[in-house]
Amino acid sequence: EAQVTQNPRYLITVTGKKLTVTCSQNMNHEYMSWYRQDPGLGLRQIYYSMNVEVTDKGDVPEGYKVSRKEKRNFPLILESPSPNQTSLYFCASNPSATGELFFGEGSRLTVL
Amino acid sequence: AQSVSQHNHHVILSEAASLELGCNYSYGGTVNLFWYVQYPGQHLQLLLKYFSGDPLVKGIKGFEAEFIKSKFSFNLRKPSVQWSDTAEYFCAVNARGYKLIFGSGTRLLVRP
Repeated sequence: EAQVTQNPRYLITVTGKKLTVTCSQNMNHEYMSWYRQDPGLGLRQIYYSMNVEVTDKGDVPEGYKVSRKEKRNFPLILESPSPNQTSLYFCASNPSATGELFFGEGSRLTVL
Repeated sequence: AQSVSQHNHHVILSEAASLELGCNYSYGGTVNLFWYVQYPGQHLQLLLKYFSGDPLVKGIKGFEAEFIKSKFSFNLRKPSVQWSDTAEYFCAVNARGYKLIFGSGTRLLVRP
């Protein structure tokens, strides 16, 4: 089954404790991206990747890092999480630059 | 900067009522347009998309949208809503290759 898989789905952590949210897709898509969803703000892009070792900042990259060492994986790293990073995070992939995204199930992160 | 506006943040309808959700974008060039739906507790799914051709686009579950270039609009419609259409709806625009810009979303509640 074609899918985008994120882990963990739910996480509660404390300020400053590094964490990684993993994302994996099995559709051989070249493009992957991370979004955060906040009430009233819709989805905002954090980072995206056009291919292995090619990443770029989205609209809200501060406080996040990403890497794309393999085509299928695109982890999101929060080196020192802060409460304002409490949000619902979605990973997405797409096969081309047409913008039709396939989303993961989401990861709800709470930073205390 | 490109932006997407969804004018209705919350919509409440009774079953069998007609639905129209507004979406306007700010970009003068060629665009790809999308509507995504997010059912409670789930990830975003593609409802329909417009790339070119017939400006009236039909999607899944009886939804359709009309692209009106002169008005920079891509409104979503459904003649008769069902309780199962209760969800949040996001309009999105791809105006610069890969980057997809989302509106802030419209929460639809359909009363049985």
